[in-house]
Amino acid sequence: DAGITQSPRHKVTETGTPVTLRCHQTENHRYMYWYRQDPGHGLRLIHYSYGVKDTDKGEVSDGYSVSRSKTEDFLLTLESATSSQTSVYFCAISESHWGPDQPQHFGDGTRLSIL
Amino acid sequence: KNEVEQSPQNLTAQEGEFITINCSYSVGISALHWLQQHPGGGIVSLFMLSSGKKKHGRLIATINIQEKHSSLHITASHPRDSAVYICAVRGRSGGSNYKLTFGKGTLLTVNP
Repeated sequence: DAGITQSPRHKVTETGTPVTLRCHQTENHRYMYWYRQDPGHGLRLIHYSYGVKDTDKGEVSDGYSVSRSKTEDFLLTLESATSSQTSVYFCAISESHWGPDQPQHFGDGTRLSIL
Repeated sequence: KNEVEQSPQNLTAQEGEFITINCSYSVGISALHWLQQHPGGGIVSLFMLSSGKKKHGRLIATINIQEKHSSLHITASHPRDSAVYICAVRGRSGGSNYKLTFGKGTLLTVNP
């Protein structure tokens, strides 16, 4: 299994509080992704990173920020959490975007509840 | 933006049955992924394919590029195959098209 650790695995917090989720990889892969998974939707990309300090927005980036100061860590921050951000968050990694044979390996997910 | 449709949304089978899950997409792609997610669990990549057919154990994935359609087959299904199966496609390289677009998933339940 790909070495991906998400922390925390579960979190309950209140509206308006800041929240940071961490994704740690031991594979030295260049690309890292944050997705959210909600009932009735496929996985949706929040932000991704293509290298240290290199990040870009996905399709549902509003209300989220990311940082990648080291190859192995990709942080997702909700500056002021809202109830609409209650979701399961998945981190994924891949060696490269390019080429058809580049799988994404997923972490075990973080279940975030915002009350 | 590519639209990915999976069918059926839910599927219940008896142990031993042959299972087929379908995935259709709207725009040309460079690769298609099949993923598996057990209840409450993480997501595992089963296959990536850009043409033809791939087989791993009892799982077979096929793709028809011209028809923009892929199928995932499970032979001799078993209760441990019960999971959500997710199809995802990657657009052709360049711009933002290389990102994955995911289907909503097919919930498969295999009863003993």
